[in-house]
Amino acid sequence: GENVEQHPSTLSVQEGDSAVIKCTYSDSASNYFPWYKQELGKRPQLIIDIRSNVGEKKDQRIAVTLNKTAKHFSLHITETQPEDSAVYFCAASGPGRRALTFGSGTRLQVQP
Amino acid sequence: DTEVTQTPKHLVMGMTNKKSLKCEQHMGHRAMYWYKQKAKKPPELMFVYSYEKLSINESVPSRFSPECPNSSLLNLHLHALQPEDSALYLCASSQDGAPDYGYTFGSGTRLTVV
Repeated sequence: GENVEQHPSTLSVQEGDSAVIKCTYSDSASNYFPWYKQELGKRPQLIIDIRSNVGEKKDQRIAVTLNKTAKHFSLHITETQPEDSAVYFCAASGPGRRALTFGSGTRLQVQP
Repeated sequence: DTEVTQTPKHLVMGMTNKKSLKCEQHMGHRAMYWYKQKAKKPPELMFVYSYEKLSINESVPSRFSPECPNSSLLNLHLHALQPEDSALYLCASSQDGAPDYGYTFGSGTRLTVV
């Protein structure tokens, strides 16, 4: 089955700096890679996703890059703000798999 | 309506109790999921229903019993739980059984077993 590894487990940045979170996946058939943000006590919320036919996708301060050859994808947050502080999960899915496989999560702390 | 609604939001139950968690969506999604999430861990898949049929059971103990009465409703019946079953239980739905189409989480039920 699919295995998704996520690094780092914790990340502390100063407000205004950039943050990068990296994930690797094992199943070369995986073709969908969402990122979720989860604030304390709340549901995971989809913030951005990318499909395997695209190498990069951007939405304001958030971008995701995908390297299919190396089987890794990354989340980039620019100009971080305190409200970006949360746990971020990457995930992967592919043909025939009816659910997402999640990474272990990254706790991002943005210091004012 | 673009939401997945879960009730109750919080539940405290004893080890001999029987209780049920409820999940509802009116987006026309045909796949529904139960996840269990422990603190500081990712969501862990428990069950998947696709077109009202159970398609995945991730070797979940029988004290958890899912039910899908219709395409909009998903229940999780709980019986004889253990304290280690305390967690956030999340329901999700997606359009047609593929998680890359409209995958939406509910706000969860925080379960405490005493």
